[in-house]
Amino acid sequence: KQEVTQIPAALSVPEGENLVLNCSFTDSAIYNLQWFRQDPGKGLTSLLLIQSSQREQTSGRLNASLDKSSGRSTLYIAASQPGDSATYLCAVGGGGNKLTFGTGTQLKVEL
Amino acid sequence: GAGVSQSPRYKVAKRGQDVALRCDPISGHVSLFWYQQALGQGPEFLTYFQNEAQLDKSGLPSDRFFAERPEGSVSTLKIQRTQQEDSAVYLCASSFGQLEGNEKLFFGSGTQLSVL
Repeated sequence: KQEVTQIPAALSVPEGENLVLNCSFTDSAIYNLQWFRQDPGKGLTSLLLIQSSQREQTSGRLNASLDKSSGRSTLYIAASQPGDSATYLCAVGGGGNKLTFGTGTQLKVEL
Repeated sequence: GAGVSQSPRYKVAKRGQDVALRCDPISGHVSLFWYQQALGQGPEFLTYFQNEAQLDKSGLPSDRFFAERPEGSVSTLKIQRTQQEDSAVYLCASSFGQLEGNEKLFFGSGTQLSVL
């Protein structure tokens, strides 16, 4: 059974800092990995999708990497802003048409 | 529609009551998913539809949980004889095609169910 772990569980940084969120998964037989953002009381918003054949994806200040063989992904956020405060969830697609989610990293960016 | 719509937004039920949660996916989206999210946890897969066919219900926690999508658009998740452990946020998501085809998943805002 696929297990997805995210470290750290919570993170607080000052505005402007660059930061890295980590995701690891136990079964490397995946077809993609997605990073989502969840604001309190809201649903999830897809940020980046990395196909299994890709190494990274970029969108604005966000960069996600994938090392399938080692079962790891990182989400890099450059020049963090208070508006980036949210919970970030990593999810892997595999074993059928469904995603397995990690427990998330709760990020707070302080002024 | 513009996005995935779920109703009600909040539902309070007494233990033993039946509840029905509604999901209206993005128009034209073939795949529809239900997830359960407990407080402080990531979403857990419940079930998946491709059009009106329920292709995977392996995540439904018990036979008290039932989902349908009779015309391949709107879906309803029904929970019979609710228990306190059913309290969670129930998220619906849809995608245009198969996730294995690297389609993005779009989520609704969820229904927060509290069983007293």
